[in-house]
Amino acid sequence: SQTIHQWPATLVQPVGSPLSLECTVEGTSNPNLYWYRQAAGRGLQLLFYSVGIGQISSEVPQNLSASRPQDRQFILSSKKLLLSDSGFYLCAWGDSTEAFFGQGTRLTVV
Amino acid sequence: DQQVKQNSPSLSVQEGRISILNCDYTNSMFDYFLWYKKYPAEGPTFLISISSIKDKNEDGRFTVFLNKSAKHLSLHIVPSQPGDSAVYFCAASEGGTYKYIFGTGTRLKVLA
Repeated sequence: SQTIHQWPATLVQPVGSPLSLECTVEGTSNPNLYWYRQAAGRGLQLLFYSVGIGQISSEVPQNLSASRPQDRQFILSSKKLLLSDSGFYLCAWGDSTEAFFGQGTRLTVV
Repeated sequence: DQQVKQNSPSLSVQEGRISILNCDYTNSMFDYFLWYKKYPAEGPTFLISISSIKDKNEDGRFTVFLNKSAKHLSLHIVPSQPGDSAVYFCAASEGGTYKYIFGTGTRLKVLA
């Protein structure tokens, strides 16, 4: 069966520091991968979407970037965090029937 | 530009009664819709989905209704249980893109 791993579960980072959140998927090949952010009043906002290695679509302009160095690995990064980057970040993989989510990372930028 | 909207941020319902959660969308190219349930500090879990070729789909206590002309869908939970208390998100995708766009969420509280 497919599983999705996302880490860390919580992270407190100072403003201006870099960020790297990692997500890996097991039990499926060539998955569609997503990064979402849940912020107050904004629901689940799609940040990045990838249909294959090296292919990244950015859905909203922001201070973050994503990379997919391997088929089942998706990384969310920032060179310099802003206070507004705080939120709950969710990685997901999807097929034609639904998106399957990881447990999320609570990022607090202080 | 919020393509999927849930205009009620919260809803309270008595145990045993029906919960109705609503969702509106603007993109007429969306052809597949989903509902998710989310507890704090956890990832959302899938509840039920519906294709645009249908207007109703049932799974146990959960029924989703789709009104394409109104670009509106709703989730009915009957009977509501305290364990149903969570945030509910609707989501939509367009024509085989497998890109899921989520709404803003509705917090459901089922009162015992």
